[in-house]
Amino acid sequence: GENVEQHPSTLSVQEGDSAVIKCTYSDSASNYFPWYKQELGKRPQLIIDIRSNVGEKKDQRIAVTLNKTAKHFSLHITETQPEDSAVYFCAASSVDTGRRALTFGSGTRLQVQP
Amino acid sequence: EAGVVQSPRYKIIEKKQPVAFWCNPISGHNTLYWYLQNLGQGPELLIRYENEEAVDDSQLPKDRFSAERLKGVDSTLKIQPAELGDSAVYLCASSPGGAGAGNTIYFGEGSWLTVV
Repeated sequence: GENVEQHPSTLSVQEGDSAVIKCTYSDSASNYFPWYKQELGKRPQLIIDIRSNVGEKKDQRIAVTLNKTAKHFSLHITETQPEDSAVYFCAASSVDTGRRALTFGSGTRLQVQP
Repeated sequence: EAGVVQSPRYKIIEKKQPVAFWCNPISGHNTLYWYLQNLGQGPELLIRYENEEAVDDSQLPKDRFSAERLKGVDSTLKIQPAELGDSAVYLCASSPGGAGAGNTIYFGEGSWLTVV
């Protein structure tokens, strides 16, 4: 089945700096790659996603890039703010009808220092 | 629009006791998921339903865990008997279709289980 690895496990940046989180996946059939933000004690919430037919997607300060050949994708947050502090999870899913569920990475705890 | 609703939010039980979690998905979502999230880790799939059919339960420990989704709407996840290692957050999620089709998966707030 799918295996998703995520790095780094923790990331501390100064307010206004950029943050980058990277993930790799193993299943070449995966075609959907969302990113979720989870604040302490809250539900994971989708912040951005990308499908395999595009290489980059941007939404205000957040962008995601995908390299299907290398099987890795990254989350980029620019002009970070204290409210960006949370745990971020990448995920991937396969087109195989038997595995249409998300496989998650282990998470990155982002701390934005004011 | 109401999101995914789960109950109870918190549960503390002694080991070997049974426990059940309930989930009401977003209206119209035919796909329902139960995920397990251990502290500091990403969610791991336990079971996925398409309507009332469990289409992927390969990661569900069937010796003590069971789930049902009667009438293809609400779902219940049961653990009997609970073990200390079952302490975790049990997340329910739903989507209009399978994640492979690019349908957004929406999560509930989770049921926090502590087994003592």
